[in-house]
Amino acid sequence: RKEVEQDPGPFNVPEGATVAFNCTYSNSASQSFFWYRQDCRKEPKLLMSVYSSGNEDGRFTAQLNRASQYISLLIRDSKLSDSATYLCVVNKGTGGFKTIFGAGTRLFVKA
Amino acid sequence: NAGVTQTPKFRILKIGQSMTLQCTQDMNHNYMYWYRQDPGMGLKLIYYSVGAGITDKGEVPNGYNVSRSTTEDFPLRLELAAPSQTSVYFCASSYPTEKETQYFGPGTRLLVL
Repeated sequence: RKEVEQDPGPFNVPEGATVAFNCTYSNSASQSFFWYRQDCRKEPKLLMSVYSSGNEDGRFTAQLNRASQYISLLIRDSKLSDSATYLCVVNKGTGGFKTIFGAGTRLFVKA
Repeated sequence: NAGVTQTPKFRILKIGQSMTLQCTQDMNHNYMYWYRQDPGMGLKLIYYSVGAGITDKGEVPNGYNVSRSTTEDFPLRLELAAPSQTSVYFCASSYPTEKETQYFGPGTRLLVL
């Protein structure tokens, strides 16, 4: 079983749609969680951290369920510019070398 | 700030050749990392460094070497290129804090033929 698993997609949605991505992780001792965004042929960039109480940043909402070892990302009112691959990232402990990247979920937003 | 810079952007190597991928950051980050990303796969950690003079192996270190003589620079060396090393290589850096956002360079695309 992979340490961090994501549905690879692709998700094809129209502009204005709401889309949700899920991610599961295997190490119950994992300490911090993130979503990164990666555009085609570009480097990953931090989208948002994921906090235990859930957090929102504009149209993006992240949730964490430690009991189920599950992270989600919700995108509301999708824009064409949201088309990208979304990487679920988990830190197993302090130290970036304990960072595990999921393979990513591809999103295509269509006009 | 330029952030994390990598050179070259793209390189074709013949089997058995050697090369060094350069990585420089100007954010005074202690931690630096080298990852490879194969199509449809997550990033795999090759080597990392927690400060000048200190390096350690990540998940997939075979066939690679690193050095860290300064805070800014973290070059990755491929000694005997193999087709299995065809990949996109990303360098990243971060502060050693709990949140540890990693900042990535633009990547080097390597093709070994």
